[in-house]
Amino acid sequence: AQTVTQSQPEMSVQEAETVTLSCTYDTSESDYYLFWYKQPPSRQMILVIRQEAYKQQNATENRFSVNFQKAAKSFSLKISDSQLGDAAMYFCAYRSPGTASKLTFGTGTRLQVTL
Amino acid sequence: GAGVSQSPSNKVTEKGKDVELRCDPISGHTALYWYRQSLGQGLEFLIYFQGNSAPDKSGLPSDRFSAERTGGSVSTLTIQRTQQEDSAVYLCASSQQVGGYNEKLFFGSGTQLSVL
Repeated sequence: AQTVTQSQPEMSVQEAETVTLSCTYDTSESDYYLFWYKQPPSRQMILVIRQEAYKQQNATENRFSVNFQKAAKSFSLKISDSQLGDAAMYFCAYRSPGTASKLTFGTGTRLQVTL
Repeated sequence: GAGVSQSPSNKVTEKGKDVELRCDPISGHTALYWYRQSLGQGLEFLIYFQGNSAPDKSGLPSDRFSAERTGGSVSTLTIQRTQQEDSAVYLCASSQQVGGYNEKLFFGSGTQLSVL
C-alpha cells in the first residue's frame, strides 16, 4: 500500500516571501499521480497543483510550483510571493493511474502567513 | 447546482443513534466520492459511485457504514449505531469522469459529525 508523509505539521511565512512544503511518499508503482490540495477553514478541498510521475518537467500553476524528485520519492510544493489568502491546511496526495480518484493523503501542513 | 452541496453542515448525535449524511453533486457529474477526515488526519477514502453503482467500497470501516446513490445524483451515507470514533468530517466530492489524469474532484464543505 502507498503511504504519504508530511513531516511539517506547521509552517509560517511572511507575506510576499517564498515557502516550501515537504512531502514524501512510498510506492512500488512506476507511474502514478501526485497532488497538492488546499483546505481553508471552509473545509472545502481545493486542488492546487498536480503532477504525473512519468513527466519529468515540474508542474507550475502561477505562484505555485513543485519540485518532483522521483528517485527520492519527494514532491514538495513551493509557494512564491505568499499572500494572506494562502493561509490554510495543505495536503499532499497520491493516486494510482487507471483507477478512480481513490486518493491517499498525508496528514497535512498548516501554513500561516504573517504581515 | 453550482457546487457540491452537503447537509447537514454539522451534526451532533448520541452514541448508538443512526445518522444520515447527504451529498448533492454537481449536475451531470457521474462520479461521486465519500472521504472521512478525522481530527488531525488527512482524508481517508470510504467509497465511490459511478452512476448509481459502487465499484469500490473498500474504505468503509465497518458494516455499520453504508451508502447509496439514486438517480445518478444525490448520495446518502448512513452510519448505524454511531460510536465516538465515528466523529469526523465527512467530505463528498464529484467529478465529470472517472479515472485518468484529467479527472478533477470538486469537494463539498463536508459534514462535521460529533458523537457524544
